[in-house]
Amino acid sequence: DTAVSQTPKYLVTQMGNDKSIKCEQNLGHDTMYWYKQDSKKFLKIMFSYNNKELIINETVPNRFSPKSPDKAHLNLHINSLELGDSAVYFCASSPRQHSGNTIYFGEGSWLTVV
Amino acid sequence: SQQGEEDPQALSIQEGENATMNCSYKTSINNLQWYRQNSGRGLVHLILIRSNEREKHSGRLRVTLDTSKKSSSLLITASRAADTASYFCATDAGGNNRLAFGKGNQVVVIP
Repeated sequence: DTAVSQTPKYLVTQMGNDKSIKCEQNLGHDTMYWYKQDSKKFLKIMFSYNNKELIINETVPNRFSPKSPDKAHLNLHINSLELGDSAVYFCASSPRQHSGNTIYFGEGSWLTVV
Repeated sequence: SQQGEEDPQALSIQEGENATMNCSYKTSINNLQWYRQNSGRGLVHLILIRSNEREKHSGRLRVTLDTSKKSSSLLITASRAADTASYFCATDAGGNNRLAFGKGNQVVVIP
């Protein structure tokens, strides 16, 4: 029944590794997002996709590469992980990409880079 | 990009009391939204107020928007222990539903 589901929920990995976080939504929404929340709970958008097309790319290092195989999935791949990448990553979706559409968040993926 | 900033950062109240949080932003907006985040969970949308609206209610929530002061407030009436959470305001200034989130208010409701 989970609307926006992301895996894994917890991920501990070493610097330099490559990791992926998967996200799926079963709401039939057109638009999906990745947000990053740091240790001070500051939440910032990273990417958005609408029907598999990249819409927002918010000055994220190119070590972060989103991939949307279809509009129900938006995965996040991170290369050469750095300590500063440690954060909670939230996947989200909204019915449409337009202003005012409610955003539905997943439960988050806690990434710790050691 | 602009950013909502909530004030105060942390609030501790007794169950049954009202909780008020404020949010300020810097540029013109299309709408402003409030979200709740329980510890260790994702954000949940609470309410959206459009730039041409001044006040909106949803259950025990009351949101006001003053575009001349670029500020908003969220009032939770008759608080419950289950209202313990962080509350974020988020502003939408451009297209593409790009939300800029504030730092969040931690609210603790003591039973």
